[in-house]
Amino acid sequence: DAGITQSPRHKVTETGTPVTLRCHQTENHRYMYWYRQDPGHGLRLIHYSYGVKDTDKGEVSDGYSVSRSKTEDFLLTLESATSSQTSVYFCAISEVKRDTQYFGPGTRLTVL
Amino acid sequence: AQKVTQAQTEISVVEKEDVTLDCVYETRDTTYYLFWYKQPPSGELVFLIRRNSFDEQNEISGRYSWNFQKSTSSFNFTITASQVVDSAVYFCALSEAGTNAGKSTFGDGTTLTVKP
Repeated sequence: DAGITQSPRHKVTETGTPVTLRCHQTENHRYMYWYRQDPGHGLRLIHYSYGVKDTDKGEVSDGYSVSRSKTEDFLLTLESATSSQTSVYFCAISEVKRDTQYFGPGTRLTVL
Repeated sequence: AQKVTQAQTEISVVEKEDVTLDCVYETRDTTYYLFWYKQPPSGELVFLIRRNSFDEQNEISGRYSWNFQKSTSSFNFTITASQVVDSAVYFCALSEAGTNAGKSTFGDGTTLTVKP
C-alpha cells in the first residue's frame, strides 16, 4: 500500500470557520491531488500539485486553497467553511503525470 | 473536455452470477489512460487496473476481466462468479495525455451488491 495518510480523519465544524486538511505521503511522489466525493457525483478534482509550490485548480476549486511547501505534504484549506463543503475528501498521489493515482483513507468533513 | 459515463447506478446480483459494469468515455485526445477503482463499504479507494489507449488487449486477473474497445469508447469490467466480497462501488476514470495530464475525470460510480 502506498504510504498516504490524511488528518484529521473526521471533523465537525461550524459555518464560517477555517479548516485545514493535511495529506502526507512517504513515497516521494511528485504529483498530489485533492478530490471531494459526494453522493451521485463520484470524485471531483479540487486542486492538484505537480511539485513543491506548484499547484493548479481542478473543476471545483471555488472556496478552497492549497499549499505545498514540502514534497511530502499537501494542505487543503477552506478559508470559511460552508455547509455545501460537507463531503468526504480524498488525497491522491502519483509518481508521474498520467500514472495511476493512489488514494489516502479520506477525511469526512461535516460543516454545520 | 473529457467525460466518463457509468450508466448503471446500482446493480444487484446473486452470488456466483457474472456481472458486467459498463464504462463509456469521451475524449478528444488520441493518447489517454483508463482506470478502474473499487471502493468497498469501508470507504478506501483501491486501484484495480490501468489501460493506455494504444493497448486494446483485454486483460484478465483472476475473476476480473476488462474489455477495452476504442471503436465504441468503452472500457467494461466483468466479474465472473461474483462473491459477496465484491460488493462495492466501482469507479471508472479517464486521464488525458495533453495539457491536463495528470487530472483524472471519474464516472459517478456503479454500486454493486452481491447477495448470498
